[in-house]
Amino acid sequence: DGGITQSPKYLFRKEGQNVTLSCEQNLNHDAMYWYRQDPGQGLRLIYYSQIVNDFQKGDIAEGYSVSREKKESFPLTVTSAQKNPTAFYLCASATSGRSYEQYFGPGTRLTVT
Amino acid sequence: QKEVEQNSGPLSVPEGAIASLNCTYSDRGSQSFFWYRQYSGKSPELIMFIYSNGDKEDGRFTAQLNKASQYVSLLIRDSQPSDSATYLCAVNPVREYGNKLVFGAGTILRVKS
Repeated sequence: DGGITQSPKYLFRKEGQNVTLSCEQNLNHDAMYWYRQDPGQGLRLIYYSQIVNDFQKGDIAEGYSVSREKKESFPLTVTSAQKNPTAFYLCASATSGRSYEQYFGPGTRLTVT
Repeated sequence: QKEVEQNSGPLSVPEGAIASLNCTYSDRGSQSFFWYRQYSGKSPELIMFIYSNGDKEDGRFTAQLNKASQYVSLLIRDSQPSDSATYLCAVNPVREYGNKLVFGAGTILRVKS
């Protein structure tokens, strides 16, 4: 089955710890995106990547880091520098030809205490 | 002024009625417009996209775009309780390099049986 997978579904961490969220897609999409969603708010873009080995900061990149070593994978690390990391994290991907049509993975709900 | 604005709702409609969801955007040069449906606790699902002025129909859904007035709407005919969800409007502003989307905060729709 083609799709986007994110793992884990739920993640709990203590303050001060870095944590890496996984995002994998087998849709052969060139572009991948990370968003954060807080209760009652829209999606905010953290990082995005249009090709392998290249990525750009989104609107709220501080405290986050990414890598794009493979076309299929775009992991997000939430560092201890992120002041309010508890949120619902969503990964999306899109084809280069129709890049505006973004499709989302199931999301990871991160809780930091 | 927010880039993409939606009434947060909730919008309540009886089963079988037409639900009308509206979205306005600030970047006059925006080219692509999307509607996503998000059930509680789940990730957004792309349900409609529209690029040209006018109407686009897909089953019970109709997207309407008016670039002169800078609004896009989503009509859901014969609303069902299963349509109860948050509907997110997303826009690709012309100023944005990298195929980024800007999302509204969403409108909560409740269909009463």
